[in-house]
Amino acid sequence: DIQMTQSPSSLSASVGDRVTITCRASQDFDDFLAWFQQKPGKTPKLLIYAASTLQSGVPSRFSGSGSGTDFTLTISSLQPEDVATYYCQKYYHAPWAFGQGTKVEIK
Amino acid sequence: EGDLVESGGDLVQAGESLRLSCRASTFIFGNPAMSWVRQAPGKGLEWVSAISEGGATYYADSVKGRVIISRDVSKSTLYLQMNSLRVEDTAVYYCASRGGGKYYWGQGTLVTVYS
Repeated sequence: DIQMTQSPSSLSASVGDRVTITCRASQDFDDFLAWFQQKPGKTPKLLIYAASTLQSGVPSRFSGSGSGTDFTLTISSLQPEDVATYYCQKYYHAPWAFGQGTKVEIK
Repeated sequence: EGDLVESGGDLVQAGESLRLSCRASTFIFGNPAMSWVRQAPGKGLEWVSAISEGGATYYADSVKGRVIISRDVSKSTLYLQMNSLRVEDTAVYYCASRGGGKYYWGQGTLVTVYS
């Protein structure tokens, strides 16, 4: 089974900073890679699918990139409302595995 | 109402059964691959089961032998039959759908299992 490894597990950054979260797969797979944002007590929100396609209504400061085994979620200018845990997920070839999550906080 | 709407979550005793449903809107055409995912209280997201476009089924080891995924194409509905429920199956269950170049995600239904 393909394993998904996110890094870092947590980060603290200042408002306005550029934030990057990495998701690495143990094997190459087609770019069916999604990113989710989950705020405390809330349902996970789909931000990006197909590695780089922004879900409708998601602010443009969020972007996704990568292919093969290495993928990246970037927040171009961190805002207070971006405090959340972020997950990557491959949604092709079962298991549709998740990364362990990255907790983003404001410094 | 979203593209995927889950239902069927309930408070049940360990050992009992439950069937979850996920109804897809008509905007999700064809026979997409679909999946169930869960999140236990305070934990991360865990993939549970999937059904491919062709109907092949897959299960996580944690539920294999106790759950069955199925769908009714005529009703645009995905199901998860859960048997021999355990306390550790307590979670919010979400369905997801991959199709038409897009990815869809539901709002979840809560399953609580008590001993």
